[in-house]
Amino acid sequence: LAKTTQPISMDSYEGQEVNITCSHNNIATNDYITWYQQFPSQGPRFIIQGYKTKVTNEVASLFIPADRKSSTLSLPRVSLSDTAVYYCLVGGGGANNLFFGTGTRLTVIP
Amino acid sequence: GAVVSQHPSRVICKSGTSVKIECRSLDFQATTMFWYRQFPKQSLMLMATSNEGSKATYEQGVEKDKFLINHASLTLSTLTVTSAHPEDSSFYICSAYGSDPHNEQFFGPGTRLTVL
Repeated sequence: LAKTTQPISMDSYEGQEVNITCSHNNIATNDYITWYQQFPSQGPRFIIQGYKTKVTNEVASLFIPADRKSSTLSLPRVSLSDTAVYYCLVGGGGANNLFFGTGTRLTVIP
Repeated sequence: GAVVSQHPSRVICKSGTSVKIECRSLDFQATTMFWYRQFPKQSLMLMATSNEGSKATYEQGVEKDKFLINHASLTLSTLTVTSAHPEDSSFYICSAYGSDPHNEQFFGPGTRLTVL
């Protein structure tokens, strides 16, 4: 199982773009990269998933370089409500994508 | 997206009692569900994989006799914490994979267990 490494915490001012990078040096060929958001006392919520290059949805973008050994979650113009813990998971889906790393605690400052 | 519910959302019990937590997939069938535990300021830790119609698969270090898992139907899995002690106080979260192309887990809202 690919292990992930993320910064423990980040601070950002409201309205700024936030980029959170996750390292996964031993990612396997068939592994996907999935990001989740978790608010206190709630279950994690799916944000975005990708395999290579760039994926964008209504809430975030995910950038994956060609070697796929890292990925960057980009949150445009964060607001106070984006304060949460963000987890990067790597795996092939199903039973291979169940193990959470430490996550990144993002604090958005007014 | 698919919806997973948990009941109760919060429970307080005395030491030595057993507590049952239910996890339901509301709009899809889940042959496999997963149970996590999360202590304050820590990440989610996978406890076990719950398989419909068969025994659960426990992660290393998780006591199967203490954390009883029953997956009685395609939409319901239960976790029973037997003879609970204060160190079992934690946030318990279940999840399941829905039938969509993202391979994303749908998580329940979690159950806060406090053992006095």
